[in-house]
Amino acid sequence: GAVVSQHPSWVICKSGTSVKIECRSLDFQATTMFWYRQFPKQSLMLMATSNEGSKATYEQGVEKDKFLINHASLTLSTLTVTSAHPEDSSFYICSARDSGQVFREFFGPGTRLTVL
Amino acid sequence: AQKVTQAQTEISVVEKEDVTLDCVYETRDTTYYLFWYKQPPSGELVFLIRRNSFDEQNEISGRYSWNFQKSTSSFNFTITASQVVDSAVYFCALSERGDNFNKFYFGSGTKLNVKP
Repeated sequence: GAVVSQHPSWVICKSGTSVKIECRSLDFQATTMFWYRQFPKQSLMLMATSNEGSKATYEQGVEKDKFLINHASLTLSTLTVTSAHPEDSSFYICSARDSGQVFREFFGPGTRLTVL
Repeated sequence: AQKVTQAQTEISVVEKEDVTLDCVYETRDTTYYLFWYKQPPSGELVFLIRRNSFDEQNEISGRYSWNFQKSTSSFNFTITASQVVDSAVYFCALSERGDNFNKFYFGSGTKLNVKP
């Protein structure tokens, strides 16, 4: 079946550093990918929609200069958390929509970010 | 306003009991999709079911069943003869045609504890 991978699965970094998270669709092409954030014991909140070859669309309240999204190919989207702070610590989940299928979307396993 | 409401924050049952997880949604779209996902402690979302707004047939898959009622805007999920492995957080989600199905609105989740 379709698989979406995320790398790394977890990361610990110091405050002020930048962290890049990759989201890959392994056996299908994804024109659109989505990035979610989930704080402990809370629901998933959509951060942004990533479109291959164009700028990402950010949800209200999400700082686009802090959360840089690049969707350079049909199988890869990256989320870079710039100048991370402890409040950015969260579980980041991506999903990828199969371009060749009607409404088939698959979630990645998530990346747990801890900022010290 | 919350588009998806899961009023049950946490439910505890004893193994072999049946349990129903409630989901109430709100939308003005006539075309939409509803989903249920399971999130075990590992964090990876597991897809359980997708239902479009034009299909109100109830569905059964093994011990899982879903009751979709447009009249009450509900999409409830029942686990029959629960097992310890069913312990997880379960999310109900909505996607609307008005957003080109580009957004998932997740409920706050229901944590299910199945005790042996």
